[in-house]
Parts: sequence; structure tokens; C-alpha cells
Amino acid sequence: KNQVEQSPQSLIILEGKNCTLQCNYTVSPFSNLRWYKQDTGRGPVSLTIMTFSENTKSNGRYTATLDADTKQSSLHITASQLSDSASYICVVSQYSSASKIIFGSGTRLSIRP
Amino acid sequence: DAGVTQSPTHLIKTRGQQVTLRCSPKSGHDTVSWYQQALGQGPQFIFQYYEEEERQRGNFPDRFSGHQFPNYSSELNVNALLLGDSALYLCASSLQGIVEPQHFGDGTRLSIL
Repeated sequence: KNQVEQSPQSLIILEGKNCTLQCNYTVSPFSNLRWYKQDTGRGPVSLTIMTFSENTKSNGRYTATLDADTKQSSLHITASQLSDSASYICVVSQYSSASKIIFGSGTRLSIRP
Repeated sequence: DAGVTQSPTHLIKTRGQQVTLRCSPKSGHDTVSWYQQALGQGPQFIFQYYEEEERQRGNFPDRFSGHQFPNYSSELNVNALLLGDSALYLCASSLQGIVEPQHFGDGTRLSIL
């Protein structure tokens, strides 16, 4: 069964600290993997997208990594800010089909001052 | 440049009623996808519209139907509402040939009493 599992389910860290969110998937065949940030009450916003041949992609303080062999991805947030408080969703596309895009349940990140 | 806009932002209905949600895609986008997001879960794909036709559909019953207009805007209709239909309904737009949602709206929060 094609699945996307994210961990931890929730995370609380202090402002200024770094953190890493995990995403494991069993989706096959693999097209690409995206990380989205979803603020409370808002729609998801794309942070990064990686294809099979890419193993790292950065967007400011956000750095995503991909290991297609182990089917694992991580999102590293550096020097966290209060505005980073949000849900982070890992999304894996099986192949070029909208119905084959699988969303994880997200990690709820809270940044404390 | 307006992004994806959805209306209404909140809606309360009772079981058995019907509801229509609306979405205007980002300027220049011609493909609209609809998603259902239950609390604490990732979005689930409902269907995608392109050229005024339903191109792909997820695992949702026929009570969920849609429409796309010549100006690319779209509607999601849900009949015979159930308590389990309570969720955030997200609309996402993209360009032809790009099946992954590129830009999400902020959603319509539907509550069924």
C-alpha cells in the first residue's frame, strides 16, 4: 500500500533552535516529493520539491533532503522563528497523476519564545 | 496578482442538506483540484478539472460533484451531507500538464450539525 508516514506527530522547540522533521514513504514508482507548510486556518504553501535525482534542496532556512534508496526525506529548519509554527506536510507523487499524489498527515511544529 | 480564492470561508449545514463551494484559480492557471482535509490529517484528493471536464477523481462517492466554468473557476457540490463531511475543503490550481497542486487557497471550513 502506498503510504507517507511523518514523524514526529508534533514537536515543540524554543525559538532560535534547529529541528528536523522526518518523512518515510512506500510510494512506488516515485515521481517527486514536496514539503508544504500549512499555517493554522490557511492553505498549504510549497517549500521545496525534489525529483528522484536530487538529494537536497534549500529554501532559505528550510533544507530538505531525499534518500530515494531508503525512501526517506527530512526537512531541517535552521534558527527557528515564531512564524515557523505550523504544520509541515510531506507529499509524494507516484507518477504524473493527480489521483496518485499522497499526502502525509503532517508534523505540527510549535515554536516557543 | 490574486492567488487562489475560495468562498465562503466558513459554512454550517445540517445533515442531508446540499452545499456548493467556490474557487477561483490563480491568474493564468487553468487546472483546478479539490481536496478534503479532516482535522489533523493531510488533504485527500477529490477530483481535478481541466477544460471544463473532470479529468481525475479520488476515492469519493458520487455525492461529491463539481464543475469548471470557461473562466477556469470551479465549484464543488456535496449532496446529502453527512456528519463525516465536516472538514476543510481546499482548492488548488496549476497549469496544464502539471498535476501536482501548485497554489492552494485558504479553504472553506464546512461544519455539519
